[in-house]
Amino acid sequence: AQSVTQLGSHVSVSEGALVLLRCNYSSSVPPYLFWYVQYPNQGLQLLLKYTTGATLVKGINGFEAEFKKSETSFHLTKPSAHMSDAAEYFCAVSDHNQGGKLIFGQGTELSVKP
Amino acid sequence: GAGVSQTPSNKVTEKGKYVELRCDPISGHTALYWYRQSLGQGPEFLIYFQGTGAADDSGLPNDRFFAVRPEGSVSTLKIQRTERGDSAVYLCASSIGSGGLPNTEAFFGQGTRLTVV
Repeated sequence: AQSVTQLGSHVSVSEGALVLLRCNYSSSVPPYLFWYVQYPNQGLQLLLKYTTGATLVKGINGFEAEFKKSETSFHLTKPSAHMSDAAEYFCAVSDHNQGGKLIFGQGTELSVKP
Repeated sequence: GAGVSQTPSNKVTEKGKYVELRCDPISGHTALYWYRQSLGQGPEFLIYFQGTGAADDSGLPNDRFFAVRPEGSVSTLKIQRTERGDSAVYLCASSIGSGGLPNTEAFFGQGTRLTVV
């Protein structure tokens, strides 16, 4: 069965530093790939997604992610962290022909230090 | 409303009681999903509706859990004989795509926090 692994349940960076949140999936057939963000007391919000085409995808708030088939990875990055980026981030996948059902990783909490 | 609405936002119930959780999707969205998020975990898929029918209920943990969407809009998740282990945040999402195609975005509600005491 498909699974998603996010390395690091908690990541802390300084304001202005690079943000790198890691995500790996398990299936041999590349699924559709997503990153969601959850701010405190708010619902999940889509940051970006990869379905087909260019493997480097850009999302909202300056985030981007690169799909690497050989590594079964979809790591999320942002060149310069801002205090407002502090939130919980979830990587998710959806297998083809599964009706859009999402399988989530366990989440990574991002803290940003001033 | 403009977004996915879930009611109540919080629900405390006693072990063994029956609860209903409601989801109002975005108007016109044909696909509706229920997820459960336990503390410190990512959301876990429960059930997916396309229109009125449950297209995939493989995530429902047991027969105490049931969901309906009789008119293809509002959905209700029903839990019978609640147990303490059912305590979690229950999330609802909807998307406009037919069959939940990945090129359509799933919009999530803020969830219902269920606590079974």
